[in-house]
Amino acid sequence: EAQVTQNPRYLITVTGKKLTVTCSQNMNHEYMSWYRQDPGLGLRQIYYSMNVEVTDKGDVPEGYKVSRKEKRNFPLILESPSPNQTSLYFCASSWGAGGHGFNEQFFGPGTRLTVL
Amino acid sequence: QQQVKQSPQSLIVQKGGISIINCAYENTAFDYFPWYQQFPGKGPALLIAIRPDVSEKKEGRFTISFNKSAKQFSLHIMDSQPGDSATYFCAASISTGTASKLTFGTGTRLQVTL
Repeated sequence: EAQVTQNPRYLITVTGKKLTVTCSQNMNHEYMSWYRQDPGLGLRQIYYSMNVEVTDKGDVPEGYKVSRKEKRNFPLILESPSPNQTSLYFCASSWGAGGHGFNEQFFGPGTRLTVL
Repeated sequence: QQQVKQSPQSLIVQKGGISIINCAYENTAFDYFPWYQQFPGKGPALLIAIRPDVSEKKEGRFTISFNKSAKQFSLHIMDSQPGDSATYFCAASISTGTASKLTFGTGTRLQVTL
């Protein structure tokens, strides 16, 4: 089954304790992205990756890091989480990243993070 | 800066009625306008999309109306059903760039009552 998976689905942590949210897709997609969803603010892009070893900042990158060492994986790293990073996080992937036209983004099931 | 403004924030419609969600954008370089549907506990999923060279696109009960001069587009759900109850996001992107970045609206929570 073609899908984007995220782990963990739920996480409660404390301020300053480093954490990683994993994202993996099995569709051989080039483009991957992380979003956060907050009430009243919709979905905002954190980071995106055009391909392996190519990443760039989205609209709200502060406090986050990403890496893309393999095509299928795109982990989101919070090195020192703070309460304002409490949110619902989504990973997404798509076949292409532009040039030939935009492609449908496939979203994972989400990770609900609470930082105390 | 909210580049895509969406309204209303929430909407209650009776079964069989028409649901209408509106979006307005500022960047005239946007050339791809998708709508995503999100059910509780799930990630968003593409519902329908339009490019600005057409004024309307229909897929089943879902229709996008696009007004390029007004920089507005809307989603119409005809014969709304309880199964349509979800959060809907409009979005916009510049598809011919080197990076297709989706800019989302703030979402509309639709509830279809019996």
